[in-house]
Amino acid sequence: DAGVTQSPTHLIKTRGQQVTLRCSPISGHKSVSWYQQVLGQGPQFIFQYYEKEERGRGNFPDRFSARQFPNYSSELNVNALLLGDSALYLCASSFQTGTGYGYTFGSGTRLTVV
Amino acid sequence: GQNIDQPTEMTATEGAIVQINCTYQTSGFNGLFWYQQHAGEAPTFLSYNVLDGLEEKGRFSSFLSRSKGYSYLLLKELQMKDSASYLCAVIIKGANNLFFGTGTRLTVIP
Repeated sequence: DAGVTQSPTHLIKTRGQQVTLRCSPISGHKSVSWYQQVLGQGPQFIFQYYEKEERGRGNFPDRFSARQFPNYSSELNVNALLLGDSALYLCASSFQTGTGYGYTFGSGTRLTVV
Repeated sequence: GQNIDQPTEMTATEGAIVQINCTYQTSGFNGLFWYQQHAGEAPTFLSYNVLDGLEEKGRFSSFLSRSKGYSYLLLKELQMKDSASYLCAVIIKGANNLFFGTGTRLTVIP
């Protein structure tokens, strides 16, 4: 079985640009969550989607947005990039929401903003 | 807010035992997870504790005390491949996400 796949794996962007990150969950998983992991820190929650609806939002500015498609894949968009947005962006999928159990993480997208 | 503390770095010798502690202060605690993360890779699930006590799984064990807001991960018979970051995370009632600590970077030396 394919795991959680994220694309691209690495990305370099300039300040002020916009970026779109993509995530495909494990087959049968209906929930996708996004986390930002700055070097040397633990992951910080950005969004969770379940059945195409937003079920949770972390403490991130409105420059961050996301959506989930009918096939349960998801996109994370970040506008007006800042140097501080440089991080590993992790996507996690699960069958259900609310328990945290059964999370499977993808390998992430390493975003560098210069 | 949620507060989760764990040591930043630890070093241990191959073949030894190491205990990584995690303390938390949360409202509506509903469970605690431990993840392993090698540099540049995805976090991988190690354990999940909801009730007080020790959960053993091979060389890894995890302990939880809800009354003390305390957990530890015990790694036995350390191997070089155990060099990684170990993340403590909690889930609270009514939330759909995990709250992570900063992670403990473990280095195993020969």
